[in-house]
Amino acid sequence: AQSVTQPDIHITVSEGASLELRCNYSYGATPYLFWYVQSPGQGLQLLLKYFSGDTLVQGIKGFEAEFKRSQSSFNLRKPSVHWSDAAEYFCAVGPAGGTSYGKLTFGQGTILTVHP
Amino acid sequence: DTGVSQDPRHKITKRGQNVTFRCDPISEHNRLYWYRQTLGQGPEFLTYFQNEAQLEKSRLLSDRFSAERPKGSFSTLEIQRTEQGDSAMYLCASSLVTSGEQFFGPGTRLTVL
Repeated sequence: AQSVTQPDIHITVSEGASLELRCNYSYGATPYLFWYVQSPGQGLQLLLKYFSGDTLVQGIKGFEAEFKRSQSSFNLRKPSVHWSDAAEYFCAVGPAGGTSYGKLTFGQGTILTVHP
Repeated sequence: DTGVSQDPRHKITKRGQNVTFRCDPISEHNRLYWYRQTLGQGPEFLTYFQNEAQLEKSRLLSDRFSAERPKGSFSTLEIQRTEQGDSAMYLCASSLVTSGEQFFGPGTRLTVL
């Protein structure tokens, strides 16, 4: 069965500091990997996705993520955090390829707090 | 606004009552998904449709839950005889069948008293 682990429930960083949110997945086939962000009381906004190709993917709001197959990881990074980045971040995995796209399995989320 | 919309945004009900939520996907999207999110957890898959056909249901979807997408456009999720454990955010998402990228609506927050 597919699963996603986000080891850090809560991370606090200072504004301007760098950020890395960890994500490990378990999936039996070629995964389609995502990072979503959720502000309080809101739905999820897609930050970036990876299916194939370059293992370093760029997303919106200055975020990037690196797919490491050997480590089954898809960590999210940002070089300089802004106060507006405070939110909850979810890593997700889904099936990939043609009409095999389907349900996503999400991690538990990481809450990011940004100190001024 | 051409995004996914959900109605209502908030619903408070008493235990034992029935509730129905609606989701309007992005117009050209043929897949529609329902997820449930409880406090401190990530969204959990409930069910999804391709056009009007319900292709998969999670075992989380007890027989008190039913979802429909009668004309392949909007969808409804009904919960009968609500229980306090049904309190959660119910999220709807849509996608093209040729893309794994799902676009989420704002959610319906259900509180069962």
